[in-house]
Amino acid sequence: DAKTTQPNSMESNEEEPVHLPCNHSTISGTDYIHWYRQLPSQGPEYVIHGLTSNVNNRMASLAIAEDRKSSTLILHRATLRDAAVYYCILRDVNAGNMLTFGGGTRLMVKP
Amino acid sequence: NAGVTQTPKFQVLKTGQSMTLQCAQDMNHEYMSWYRQDPGMGLRLIHYSVGAGITDQGEVPNGYNVSRSTTEDFPLRLLSAAPSQTSVYFCASSYSGNRLATDTQYFGPGTRLTVL
Repeated sequence: DAKTTQPNSMESNEEEPVHLPCNHSTISGTDYIHWYRQLPSQGPEYVIHGLTSNVNNRMASLAIAEDRKSSTLILHRATLRDAAVYYCILRDVNAGNMLTFGGGTRLMVKP
Repeated sequence: NAGVTQTPKFQVLKTGQSMTLQCAQDMNHEYMSWYRQDPGMGLRLIHYSVGAGITDQGEVPNGYNVSRSTTEDFPLRLLSAAPSQTSVYFCASSYSGNRLATDTQYFGPGTRLTVL
């Protein structure tokens, strides 16, 4: 499986934008880029996913590099509730539903 | 919809005891799975099911059994608990069992298991 590399932790101030990077230099053409987050003492929850183009939804934006070797999850205005571990996950279109979690990035949001 | 529910929330077992972790979903999802999360780590897949009557092993299946007799339920059985199975267990489900990499997975709140 193609692997992802994320910083262990990041800090942000409340109401400021946050850019969470993910490197995936061995990504294949059939890998989707997914982001999940895990709030303290909860199960992971879906944030966003994309293949080649940038994506927006109500939670976040996903910016994908042109060569697809990296991506950035963008939270436009961080709130205290966004403090969580964010996982960048590659999912092969042929490999089904399983998610392979790495260590993720722990985002701390300061008031 | 209740989504994905798990019981119990907490459990303490002694080494060698057996127990079943319950997972249910009310979204008519075909795909269900079990993960474990050790302290400070990401989740690892134990077993999964792409539909009633069909199960398969994930990354760390040893010491666990599963069955899927209904679409709604996917229990995880610990046959003879060991301290190495101390972990938080998450159940997840998604709509399609047809190997779609775009399906959103919905996770339950977790069961925190301690084996003494």
